[in-house]
Amino acid sequence: QQQVKQSPQSLIVQKGGISIINCAYENTAFDYFPWYQQFPGKGPALLIAIRPDVSEKKEGRFTISFNKSAKQFSLHIMDSQPGDSATYFCAASIRGNTPLVFGKGTRLSVIA
Amino acid sequence: DGGITQSPKYLFRKEGQNVTLSCEQNLNHDAMYWYRQDPGQGLRLIYYSQIVNDFQKGDIAEGYSVSREKKESFPLTVTSAQKNPTAFYLCARLPTASSRTQYFGPGTRLLVL
Repeated sequence: QQQVKQSPQSLIVQKGGISIINCAYENTAFDYFPWYQQFPGKGPALLIAIRPDVSEKKEGRFTISFNKSAKQFSLHIMDSQPGDSATYFCAASIRGNTPLVFGKGTRLSVIA
Repeated sequence: DGGITQSPKYLFRKEGQNVTLSCEQNLNHDAMYWYRQDPGQGLRLIYYSQIVNDFQKGDIAEGYSVSREKKESFPLTVTSAQKNPTAFYLCARLPTASSRTQYFGPGTRLLVL
């Protein structure tokens, strides 16, 4: 049973455009929702994270939107750049040191 | 690399052979994790440890074993029982019990000869 469903699997965006990646979760006990960015051959690195008490969090060009009632959250990358080309993973966890549960990833390509 | 050292970067396994992947951290953190990454499959949890001399199975523990004899080291052994070991293996740490952010190492790519 996949607890975090991520879409799309791949995404191609023009430079300067907006990249949008969506995730849906099932377990209402999740209370921490991070996004990770991974470049080829490297480990994932935390990009931005949100907790369910807020509906939106923005850090630079990256924004998480969170809809608790729909059990969905999304990553928006504004003014997408070729350097943003990477694989993005959403994840979720339950309070108390529990491991993160990851989506299957979205491969983003930003073309000039 | 997230405060985690993983070695080697590439590892080759022959049929029927056990191989051990190294994961080290010198930040005195308790919780450590092993994930397996396959194309299109995301990161799947193999084992995790929240304290020395204790560890729990993740979603895909079959064919793997771990040990946690000291806080700074959490090695993963891929046994011959793991029939499809070719993957990218990632080790991660959690700074404190109240922290929610896992930090990942650079990974080890295991290939079968």
